Amino acid sequence: EVQLLESGGDLVQPGGSLRLSCAASGFTLNNYAMSWVRQAPGKGLQWVSTISGGAYNTYSADSVKGRFTISTDKSKNILYLQMNSLRVDDTAVYYCAKQLSGSSPATDAFDVWGQGTMVTVSS
Amino acid sequence: QPVVTQSSSASASLGSSVKLTCTLSSVHSNYIVAWHQQQPGKAPRYLMKLEGSGRYNKGSGVPDRFSGSSSGADRHLTISNLQSEDEADYYCETWDSSSQVFGGGTTLTVL
Repeated sequence: EVQLLESGGDLVQPGGSLRLSCAASGFTLNNYAMSWVRQAPGKGLQWVSTISGGAYNTYSADSVKGRFTISTDKSKNILYLQMNSLRVDDTAVYYCAKQLSGSSPATDAFDVWGQGTMVTVSS
Repeated sequence: QPVVTQSSSASASLGSSVKLTCTLSSVHSNYIVAWHQQQPGKAPRYLMKLEGSGRYNKGSGVPDRFSGSSSGADRHLTISNLQSEDEADYYCETWDSSSQVFGGGTTLTVL
């Protein structure tokens, strides 16, 4: 069964850092583009960042560019999101998501979602 | 980058049908979309991918009550024989130029 399991969410002060993990099972991360999507409390879904299969390319939303870094460890089949210079408006549930097909980013829909991990940025 | 527009809310009675719509920006009217369901307190769930032709492919385990259709820039999700568990937020997704784009979501209330 294809599954994604996020971890690493926490309460952090503004300006702090956090690393989120997403453990994949039932498939090989390297074969698919993988993404992070977030959802602020009471709000809709917002795409955050994507990494191509094989980790050749990464793409991020303007709101996180230069602060967040997406990466993978193919030996462990884990997706990461390193979050630096966190702001109050980064507070959200963060989901990892698998692209339905293909390793090139933004070429298909998300077909598998993790359960989410909560990041709270507050002093 | 495409813009995806959804009505903020919809309601329908138990056992009836409802059609939810997402509208693509005009220059992106031929784009494929995906529909996702998010029940209260849960993660999103992939329902289907829907082409401009109206052809759709559903995810594993999605009931036959869920179907898709298209008209111009509009992409429709129809839910028949509404059940209480269909009360949820429904999001439309598309993709272009190395990013994914979501509509604002429609909250469906089952009366």
